[in-house]
Order: sequence, then C-alpha cells, then structure tokens
Amino acid sequence: QKEVEQNSGPLSVPEGAIASLNCTYSDRVSQSFFWYRQYSGKSPELIMSIYSNGDKEDGRFTAQLNKASQYVSLLIRDSQPSDSATYLCAVKDNNDMRFGAGTRLTVKP
Amino acid sequence: DAGVIQSPRHEVTEMGQEVTLRCKPISGHNSLFWYRQTMMRGLELLIYFNNNVPIDDSGMPEDRFSAKMPNASFSTLKIQPSEPRDSAVYFCASLGESSYEQYFGPGTRLTVT
Repeated sequence: QKEVEQNSGPLSVPEGAIASLNCTYSDRVSQSFFWYRQYSGKSPELIMSIYSNGDKEDGRFTAQLNKASQYVSLLIRDSQPSDSATYLCAVKDNNDMRFGAGTRLTVKP
Repeated sequence: DAGVIQSPRHEVTEMGQEVTLRCKPISGHNSLFWYRQTMMRGLELLIYFNNNVPIDDSGMPEDRFSAKMPNASFSTLKIQPSEPRDSAVYFCASLGESSYEQYFGPGTRLTVT
C-alpha cells in the first residue's frame, strides 16, 4: 500500500513567522511531488511542484525534497492570515497521484 | 477558460436513489480524475481516464460506483444505489498531456439521508 503521511495538525503560527509543513511517502519510485492548498469549502489548488532533490523557491514558498529520506516539506515565510488553510501533499508515480490527509494551518494575526 | 465544470454543486438524496455527478474537463486536457473527500479518509482517487479510456479504477469502492467518459469533454460518476456512507465531496480534476498540474473543479457536495 502506497502511503503519503502528513501531520494533521492543526499547526498554529503567529503572523510573520515561518510555517513548516512536512510529508513522508512510502513508494521509492515516486517521481513528482506537489503541494496543494485547500481553503475551507473550496477545491485544492496547486501552489508548488518539485521533481528533484533540493530546494525550490517561489515567492514566500519553498519546497524541499529528499528522495533518500522519502521526505518533502513546504516552508511558508512571513506567514499571513490568508495562508490559513489545509495543505495537501501529493505524490505521483507513473500510474497515479496520491494525497496525504492534509495539515491544517492557522496563522494568527 | 472556464476551468473544470462540475454539476450539480450540491445534491441531497435519499438512501437507495441513483445519483449522477457530471464533469466537463478543461478543453484540450486528455486526463480526467474523480476524487472523493471526507474528513475521515481525506482525498481519495476513485478512477482516472486517459484519452477517454479508464486506466485505473482500483479506488472505486464497490460495484455501486461506475464512471464513464463517452467523449473528451464529458464524464459521469454514478452511484446506484446510494448509501449514507457515500456522503462526501466529489471532485473532478483534469490534466493536460504535457503538464503535471491537475486542475480541480469546484466539487459536488453529496448528502445521502
């Protein structure tokens, strides 16, 4: 069974802090990794994708991938109340995409 | 582009009734995915199509669920007969051939009483 594991949270950080979201996966042949943001009552939207080991930065977001440890993370710098949402980690191999259960993030003003 | 379109947005039905959910993918996208999301189980892939052909339906929970994609612009997910445990939000997503980004529709919130 291929698993994608996330801490369900809730994770609470003060405005302006760094929020760190973590994800582990079990299938070593996984090739592509994604972070989706889902606001309450809305559909998931892609915010970051990463395919090779290391860091990938996009604005306030940094995705980190370590395939040897089967670990992918998302850092949100200068967190804003508008970042409050559930963040879903997704892992794709040749056949399908699997999602973690999501981590609920709350950024307090 | 209108994005992925799903209908209805909300569906309330009684146990035993047939339910049909509809999806129109983004024009030009050749892969379509059906997901179910609940608090208990999170986001689960039910089935996906590539070029209108079902590729993997291992996530379909049981024979009461069926999905079709008669053409590139339309797909249905049918539940017959429906049960209260089928209550969830059902998302459809589509993917272009040269892209890894799935675009999700707004979802259909299904309540079976």
